[in-house]
Amino acid sequence: KNQVEQSPQSLIILEGKNCTLQCNYTVSPFSNLRWYKQDTGRGPVSLTIMTFSENTKSNGRYTATLDADTKQSSLHITASQLSDSASYICVVSGGGSQGNLIFGKGTKLSVKP
Amino acid sequence: EPEVTQTPSHQVTQMGQEVILRCVPISNHLYFYWYRQILGQKVEFLVSFYNNEISEKSEIFDDQFSVERPDGSNFTLKIRSTKLEDSAMYFCASSLKPVSNQPQHFGDGTRLSIL
Repeated sequence: KNQVEQSPQSLIILEGKNCTLQCNYTVSPFSNLRWYKQDTGRGPVSLTIMTFSENTKSNGRYTATLDADTKQSSLHITASQLSDSASYICVVSGGGSQGNLIFGKGTKLSVKP
Repeated sequence: EPEVTQTPSHQVTQMGQEVILRCVPISNHLYFYWYRQILGQKVEFLVSFYNNEISEKSEIFDDQFSVERPDGSNFTLKIRSTKLEDSAMYFCASSLKPVSNQPQHFGDGTRLSIL
C-alpha cells in the first residue's frame, strides 16, 4: 500500500536552532517527492520538489535530501525563526500521476523565542 | 504573486443539502485539483481536471461529487447530497503543467461543516 510516514509528529525548538524532519515512503512507482509548509488555517506552500535522480535541494534555510534507495527523505531547517512554526508535509507523487499525490500527516513544528 | 482563491472560507450546510465550493485558479494554469483534509488527518486527493474533463479521481470522489469549469476563471466542486462525514477542509490547487513535474499552488481552503 502506498504510504508516507513522517517523524516526529511534533517538535518544539528554540529560535535560532536547527532541526531535521524525517519522511519514509513506500510509494511505487515513484516520480518525485515534495516538502510543503502549511501554516495554521492556510493552504500548503511548496518548499522543494525532488526527482529520483536528485539527492539534495535547497530553498533558503530549507534543505531537503532524498535517498531513493532507502526511500527516505529529510528536511533540514537552519537557524529557525518564529515564522517557521507550521506543519511540514512530505508528499510523494507516483509515476504518471495527474495529481494523485500521497500526503504524509505532517510534522508540527513550534519555534519558541 | 498570483494566488489561488477559494470561496467561501467557511460553509455550514444541513445534511442532505447540495453545496458548491468555488475556486479561482491562477490565470495561466491549465491543471486543476481538489483535495480534502478531515480534521487531524492527512490531505487526500479527490480529483484532477484538465482540458475540461476529469483526468484522474480517487475512490473518495464518488457519484455525489462533481467538478466543473463553468467559465474561463472558476473551478467548482459540487457535493450533491452532503453527509456528516463530508465535513472537512477542501483545498483547490492549480499548476501550469502536470503535477508530476510542477509545483502546485494551493488555495487557503474552504472549511465545510455539515450539521
